[in-house]
Amino acid sequence: KNQVEQSPQSLIILEGKNCTLQCNYTVSPFSNLRWYKQDTGRGPVSLTIMTFSENTKSNGRYTATLDADTKQSSLHITASQLSDSASYICVVSGPTSGYALNFGKGTSLLVTP
Amino acid sequence: NAGVTQTPKFRVLKTGQSMTLLCAQDMNHEYMYWYRQDPGMGLRLIHYSVGEGTTAKGEVPDGYNVSRLKKQNFLLGLESAAPSQTSVYFCASSFNSGGASYNEQFFGPGTRLTVL
Repeated sequence: KNQVEQSPQSLIILEGKNCTLQCNYTVSPFSNLRWYKQDTGRGPVSLTIMTFSENTKSNGRYTATLDADTKQSSLHITASQLSDSASYICVVSGPTSGYALNFGKGTSLLVTP
Repeated sequence: NAGVTQTPKFRVLKTGQSMTLLCAQDMNHEYMYWYRQDPGMGLRLIHYSVGEGTTAKGEVPDGYNVSRLKKQNFLLGLESAAPSQTSVYFCASSFNSGGASYNEQFFGPGTRLTVL
């Protein structure tokens, strides 16, 4: 059973617009949550990592938020660029999960001119 | 500093053939991982290693073997390839556990394998 659910599955936005991607998880207890960006044909690259005590983390135009009570996270992209077109993957781990990370299926974002 | 590299980038096999995927990292990381990524699914852990000479099974280890003879290299072997092993394979490395700890996993560019 997938413990990390992402929505939407895919999204198309115009260049310059903002967007928000959602991640709901059931991993418990919770240790940290990561957002990765995966360009087509490339490996995932880390955008943000948050522990349970952090509510928000920014990386340039990317801002991740976390609500550990409701087990929800969001990734907000500001002033989107064509280079933001990629898959965004939410990854959750717990303190007892050891080396296993729980990967979401990803949200595919397409930014059009 | 090349980070994590994988060879080959692409490969086509016939059912029953064998091959080895090579992963190399130059960041002096202790931990290395092999994942597979299939359409519509999240990355799944095949095998991992917590140090030179040690390996362990992940979520989907059947049909694969691994070796970590040198700290910087992690090999993934398919002894008798099956069509179900058609996938994109990613190697990753980290300073220590990518699970409970805060440390980040760095991924290679992937190997696209097709088994006919």
